[in-house]
Amino acid sequence: KQEVTQIPAALSVPEGENLVLNCSFTDSAIYNLQWFRQDPGKGLTSLLLIQSSQREQTSGRLNASLDKSSGRSTLYIAASQPGDSATYLCPHNDYKLSFGAGTTVTVRA
Amino acid sequence: DTEVTQTPKHLVMGMTNKKSLKCEQHMGHRAMYWYKQKAKKPPELMFVYSYEKLSINESVPSRFSPECPNSSLLNLHLHALQPEDSALYLCASSQDPRDHYGYTFGSGTRLTVV
Repeated sequence: KQEVTQIPAALSVPEGENLVLNCSFTDSAIYNLQWFRQDPGKGLTSLLLIQSSQREQTSGRLNASLDKSSGRSTLYIAASQPGDSATYLCPHNDYKLSFGAGTTVTVRA
Repeated sequence: DTEVTQTPKHLVMGMTNKKSLKCEQHMGHRAMYWYKQKAKKPPELMFVYSYEKLSINESVPSRFSPECPNSSLLNLHLHALQPEDSALYLCASSQDPRDHYGYTFGSGTRLTVV
Protein backbone atom coordinates (compact mmCIF):
# COMPACT_ATOMS: atom_id res chain seq x y z
CA LYS A 1 0.00 0.00 0.00
CA GLN A 2 1.30 3.41 -0.95
CA GLU A 3 2.28 5.57 2.03
CA VAL A 4 2.82 9.29 1.93
CA THR A 5 4.89 10.93 4.65
CA GLN A 6 4.82 14.68 5.15
CA ILE A 7 7.40 16.42 7.32
CA PRO A 8 7.02 18.40 9.46
CA ALA A 9 3.54 17.57 10.72
CA ALA A 10 3.10 21.16 11.89
CA LEU A 11 4.95 24.42 11.45
CA SER A 12 4.51 27.80 13.14
CA VAL A 13 6.51 30.75 11.86
CA PRO A 14 6.43 34.55 12.01
CA GLU A 15 5.28 36.38 8.94
CA GLY A 16 8.00 36.84 6.33
CA GLU A 17 9.85 33.59 6.91
CA ASN A 18 10.36 31.10 4.11
CA LEU A 19 8.66 27.72 4.46
CA VAL A 20 9.94 24.29 3.41
CA LEU A 21 7.47 21.40 3.34
CA ASN A 22 8.61 17.89 2.54
CA CYS A 23 6.78 14.94 1.09
CA SER A 24 8.01 11.37 0.50
CA PHE A 25 6.46 8.24 -0.98
CA THR A 26 7.10 4.56 -0.32
CA ASP A 27 6.42 3.82 -3.98
CA SER A 28 8.92 5.74 -6.09
CA ALA A 29 6.77 5.20 -9.19
CA ILE A 30 5.61 8.78 -9.25
CA TYR A 31 3.59 10.22 -12.08
CA ASN A 32 2.22 13.74 -11.93
CA LEU A 33 2.44 15.30 -8.47
CA GLN A 34 -0.06 17.86 -7.27
CA TRP A 35 0.25 20.01 -4.16
CA PHE A 36 -2.96 21.17 -2.46
CA ARG A 37 -3.86 23.42 0.42
CA GLN A 38 -6.89 22.98 2.61
CA ASP A 39 -8.39 25.58 4.90
CA PRO A 40 -10.29 24.24 7.93
CA GLY A 41 -13.62 22.73 6.92
CA LYS A 42 -13.10 23.59 3.26
CA GLY A 43 -12.30 21.73 0.07
CA LEU A 44 -8.87 21.22 -1.45
CA THR A 45 -7.34 23.98 -3.56
CA SER A 46 -4.75 22.99 -6.14
CA LEU A 47 -1.50 24.91 -5.83
CA LEU A 48 0.91 23.35 -8.28
CA LEU A 49 1.00 20.37 -10.62
CA ILE A 50 4.37 18.90 -11.54
CA GLN A 51 4.07 16.68 -14.58
CA SER A 52 6.13 13.51 -14.72
CA SER A 53 8.56 14.98 -17.26
CA GLN A 54 9.24 18.04 -15.10
CA ARG A 55 11.49 18.52 -12.09
CA GLU A 56 9.85 21.63 -10.68
CA GLN A 57 7.01 24.06 -11.05
CA THR A 58 6.64 27.65 -9.88
CA SER A 59 3.67 29.89 -9.22
CA GLY A 60 4.27 33.26 -7.59
CA ARG A 61 5.83 32.71 -4.16
CA LEU A 62 5.43 28.93 -4.47
CA ASN A 63 7.97 26.53 -5.91
CA ALA A 64 7.66 22.77 -5.88
CA SER A 65 10.38 20.30 -6.84
CA LEU A 66 10.13 16.62 -7.60
CA ASP A 67 12.89 14.00 -7.35
CA LYS A 68 11.44 10.82 -8.76
CA SER A 69 14.58 8.78 -8.10
CA SER A 70 14.24 9.29 -4.35
CA GLY A 71 10.46 9.54 -4.24
CA ARG A 72 10.48 13.01 -2.71
CA SER A 73 8.89 16.39 -3.33
CA THR A 74 9.46 19.71 -1.62
CA LEU A 75 7.22 22.77 -1.54
CA TYR A 76 8.88 26.12 -0.89
CA ILE A 77 6.81 29.12 0.11
CA ALA A 78 8.72 32.40 0.06
CA ALA A 79 8.01 35.35 2.35
CA SER A 80 5.13 33.68 4.17
CA GLN A 81 1.94 35.60 4.98
CA PRO A 82 -0.84 34.91 7.50
CA GLY A 83 -3.04 33.92 4.54
CA ASP A 84 -0.70 30.99 3.93
CA SER A 85 -1.97 29.37 7.13
CA ALA A 86 -3.56 26.08 6.07
CA THR A 87 -2.89 22.36 5.80
CA TYR A 88 -0.77 21.38 2.82
CA LEU A 89 -1.20 18.00 1.12
CA CYS A 90 0.82 16.15 -1.53
CA PRO A 91 -1.07 12.97 -2.41
CA HIS A 92 0.42 10.14 -4.42
CA ASN A 93 -1.32 9.91 -7.78
CA ASP A 94 -1.80 6.42 -9.19
CA TYR A 95 -5.23 6.53 -10.82
CA LYS A 96 -6.51 7.65 -7.44
CA LEU A 97 -5.09 9.95 -4.80
CA SER A 98 -3.58 8.55 -1.59
CA PHE A 99 -3.06 11.19 1.09
CA GLY A 100 -0.63 11.54 3.95
CA ALA A 101 -1.49 13.42 7.11
CA GLY A 102 -0.39 16.77 5.68
CA THR A 103 1.60 19.66 7.11
CA THR A 104 -0.36 22.23 9.10
CA VAL A 105 1.16 25.68 8.71
CA THR A 106 0.51 28.66 10.96
CA VAL A 107 1.96 32.02 9.97
CA ARG A 108 1.87 34.54 12.82
CA ALA A 109 1.33 38.21 12.03
CA ASP B 1 -16.00 26.67 -16.07
CA THR B 2 -13.15 25.20 -14.02
CA GLU B 3 -15.04 24.26 -10.90
CA VAL B 4 -16.55 21.29 -9.18
CA THR B 5 -19.80 22.32 -7.52
CA GLN B 6 -21.15 20.41 -4.53
CA THR B 7 -24.59 20.82 -3.00
CA PRO B 8 -25.72 21.18 -0.32
CA LYS B 9 -22.84 22.78 1.60
CA HIS B 10 -24.25 21.57 4.91
CA LEU B 11 -26.64 18.72 5.70
CA VAL B 12 -28.08 17.48 8.96
CA MET B 13 -29.95 14.20 8.79
CA GLY B 14 -31.46 11.67 11.15
CA MET B 15 -30.42 8.04 11.14
CA THR B 16 -33.67 7.00 9.43
CA ASN B 17 -33.57 9.67 6.72
CA LYS B 18 -32.70 9.32 3.06
CA LYS B 19 -30.76 12.16 1.50
CA SER B 20 -28.48 12.76 -1.47
CA LEU B 21 -25.32 14.72 -2.10
CA LYS B 22 -24.77 16.21 -5.53
CA CYS B 23 -21.61 16.99 -7.45
CA GLU B 24 -21.37 18.67 -10.83
CA GLN B 25 -18.56 19.61 -13.21
CA HIS B 26 -18.54 21.03 -16.73
CA MET B 27 -14.86 20.63 -17.57
CA GLY B 28 -15.35 17.53 -19.68
CA HIS B 29 -13.60 15.39 -17.08
CA ARG B 30 -14.34 11.68 -17.44
CA ALA B 31 -13.33 10.54 -13.93
CA MET B 32 -15.18 11.55 -10.80
CA TYR B 33 -14.48 10.67 -7.19
CA TRP B 34 -16.05 10.71 -3.74
CA TYR B 35 -13.82 11.19 -0.70
CA LYS B 36 -14.70 11.20 2.98
CA GLN B 37 -12.77 13.32 5.44
CA LYS B 38 -13.08 13.09 9.21
CA ALA B 39 -11.93 15.97 11.38
CA LYS B 40 -8.14 16.45 11.43
CA LYS B 41 -7.63 13.48 9.09
CA PRO B 42 -6.70 13.35 5.41
CA PRO B 43 -9.33 12.54 2.78
CA GLU B 44 -10.06 8.87 2.19
CA LEU B 45 -11.24 7.55 -1.15
CA MET B 46 -14.73 6.05 -1.29
CA PHE B 47 -15.65 5.62 -4.96
CA VAL B 48 -14.25 6.23 -8.42
CA TYR B 49 -16.34 6.59 -11.56
CA SER B 50 -14.61 6.22 -14.90
CA TYR B 51 -16.57 7.11 -18.02
CA GLU B 52 -19.75 6.98 -15.95
CA LYS B 53 -19.09 3.46 -14.69
CA LEU B 54 -18.14 2.55 -11.14
CA SER B 55 -14.51 1.42 -11.27
CA ILE B 56 -13.45 1.49 -7.61
CA ASN B 57 -15.44 0.92 -4.43
CA GLU B 58 -13.15 1.07 -1.40
CA SER B 59 -15.28 -1.38 0.62
CA VAL B 60 -17.75 1.34 1.49
CA PRO B 61 -20.88 0.24 3.47
CA SER B 62 -24.00 -0.16 1.37
CA ARG B 63 -25.73 2.68 3.21
CA PHE B 64 -23.70 4.85 0.81
CA SER B 65 -24.87 4.44 -2.78
CA PRO B 66 -23.14 6.33 -5.59
CA GLU B 67 -24.69 7.17 -8.92
CA CYS B 68 -23.34 8.79 -12.07
CA PRO B 69 -26.32 9.72 -14.29
CA ASN B 70 -24.14 11.44 -16.90
CA SER B 71 -20.60 12.60 -17.47
CA SER B 72 -21.14 15.88 -15.59
CA LEU B 73 -23.03 14.70 -12.54
CA LEU B 74 -22.22 12.50 -9.57
CA ASN B 75 -24.58 11.74 -6.72
CA LEU B 76 -24.10 10.05 -3.38
CA HIS B 77 -27.31 8.61 -1.93
CA LEU B 78 -27.40 8.23 1.83
CA HIS B 79 -29.68 5.95 3.82
CA ALA B 80 -29.72 4.75 7.41
CA LEU B 81 -26.46 6.45 8.29
CA GLN B 82 -24.77 6.29 11.66
CA PRO B 83 -23.43 9.22 13.72
CA GLU B 84 -19.88 8.09 12.89
CA ASP B 85 -20.62 8.85 9.24
CA SER B 86 -20.59 12.55 10.10
CA ALA B 87 -17.76 14.04 8.05
CA LEU B 88 -16.85 16.33 5.19
CA TYR B 89 -17.68 14.66 1.87
CA LEU B 90 -15.54 15.82 -1.01
CA CYS B 91 -16.12 15.33 -4.71
CA ALA B 92 -13.33 15.55 -7.24
CA SER B 93 -12.85 15.13 -10.96
CA SER B 94 -9.94 14.53 -13.30
CA GLN B 95 -9.52 14.66 -17.04
CA ASP B 96 -9.13 10.96 -17.80
CA PRO B 97 -8.83 8.05 -15.38
CA ARG B 98 -6.12 6.46 -17.51
CA ASP B 99 -3.67 9.30 -17.11
CA HIS B 100 -2.31 11.08 -14.09
CA TYR B 101 -3.39 14.61 -14.72
CA GLY B 102 -4.50 16.98 -12.05
CA TYR B 103 -7.57 16.78 -9.90
CA THR B 104 -10.13 19.46 -9.15
CA PHE B 105 -11.97 19.29 -5.85
CA GLY B 106 -15.27 20.76 -4.78
CA SER B 107 -15.74 22.70 -1.56
CA GLY B 108 -17.40 19.74 0.13
CA THR B 109 -20.62 18.90 1.95
CA ARG B 110 -20.46 18.98 5.74
CA LEU B 111 -22.68 16.10 6.86
CA THR B 112 -23.94 15.69 10.40
CA VAL B 113 -25.88 12.55 11.34
CA VAL B 114 -28.01 12.90 14.47
